[in-house]
Order: sequence, then structure tokens, then C-alpha cells
Amino acid sequence: GENVEQHPSTLSVQEGDSAVIKCTYSDSASNYFPWYKQELGKRPQLIIDIRSNVGEKKDQRIAVTLNKTAKHFSLHITETQPEDSAVYFCAGSFGNEKLTFGTGTRLTIIP
Amino acid sequence: DAMVIQNPRYQVTQFGKPVTLSCSQTLNHNVMYWYQQKSSQAPKLLFHYYDKDFNNEADTPDNFQSRRPNTSFCFLDIRSPGLGDAAMYLCATGVGPADEQYFGPGTRLTVT
Repeated sequence: GENVEQHPSTLSVQEGDSAVIKCTYSDSASNYFPWYKQELGKRPQLIIDIRSNVGEKKDQRIAVTLNKTAKHFSLHITETQPEDSAVYFCAGSFGNEKLTFGTGTRLTIIP
Repeated sequence: DAMVIQNPRYQVTQFGKPVTLSCSQTLNHNVMYWYQQKSSQAPKLLFHYYDKDFNNEADTPDNFQSRRPNTSFCFLDIRSPGLGDAAMYLCATGVGPADEQYFGPGTRLTVT
């Protein structure tokens, strides 16, 4: 079925260090994996996405990797800054127009 | 520049008093979604329209209804709000399968 697990639920890193958030999925029909960032009281906003025919995608300090065989994908944030503090949600699209969201990771950057 | 607009941003209603939340989009997207989000939880899909086709999630209470009179507008009707319905309601739009969803700013609903 369509299930996305996300770990960890909370993550604290020192400013300047890297942060990694991991998600796993169960349905091999999945073909699209976005990551959303949600700051307190604001809307979720797409920060990066990857499709099933690509293994890695990078946009400045943010990268996403996808391992289709193992059914997991990860968000990597390098050189973290205070403004990276937010809740991050991974999601998967499983052959239709809906997204299944992970449970979220609260990332705190320690100055 | 706003692409997905939600009104009102904050809504207070009384227990059992019907309330309607509205969403409009300037993106001309085929799909419009309604999500319920409670504090620090993932958005929970209530239902969505793919063009005029309505798709209800199996666990969405009957208390929640939706209307999409045209491509640009979609409404969420809560017929008899309970205290447990207090939440942020997010509207989103999308082109179709395997594509980005664009979220509106949300309506925070308080039930007294």
C-alpha cells in the first residue's frame, strides 16, 4: 500500500553542520518524491523533488538521493543556517495525483 | 502574485454552526485539494477534485463536504463543526499525477 515513513522526528544540528532526513516507502509504483519545508504558521513549500528515473538531485545547499531498490530517499542540507529551522515533510506519489506525506521532521539549527 | 488564495485566514465558529472556507487559484490547475493539518502533524488529505471529478478519502467524516463550481474556486463546508475540527485547513492545487502541489496560506479554524 501507500505508506511513507520518515526519520528522525526531531533533529538538532549545530549551525554549519549537515542535516540528513530519511524516508522509506512501501509501494514500488511510486514515481515522484517531493520534499516540503514548513515554517511555523506558514504553508508547506516545495524545496526539492526527484523522480524515479533519477538517483540524485542537487540545488545549492540542498540535495535529495533516491535508492529505488531499497525504496528510500533522503534529504541532505549542508552548511546549515538558522533559517533552515522548520518542519520538513517528505512525500511520495504512487501513480495518481495524490501525495502521501511522511510524519515530518522538526529540524532545529543551533547557533 | 498570489497563486493560491484562501479566505478567511482565520475563522472562529461556534460548536455546531456551519462554516464555509474558500480557496481560489490563478494557476488554472486541474486538481484542487483540501487538507486538514493539526499542530506539527502532516497534512491529512480530506478530498480532492480532478477537474469536476470529486474524490473523497475513505476516512473523511461526512461532516465535511466540498464544492468546486468552476476551475478557479473550491469550497470546504463543515456542516456541524466539533471541537475536534479545530485545525489549519490547507488548500492546494496541482497539474496532475506525479507533480508539485502548490499550497495556499491556510485558514486557521477555531471552534468555541
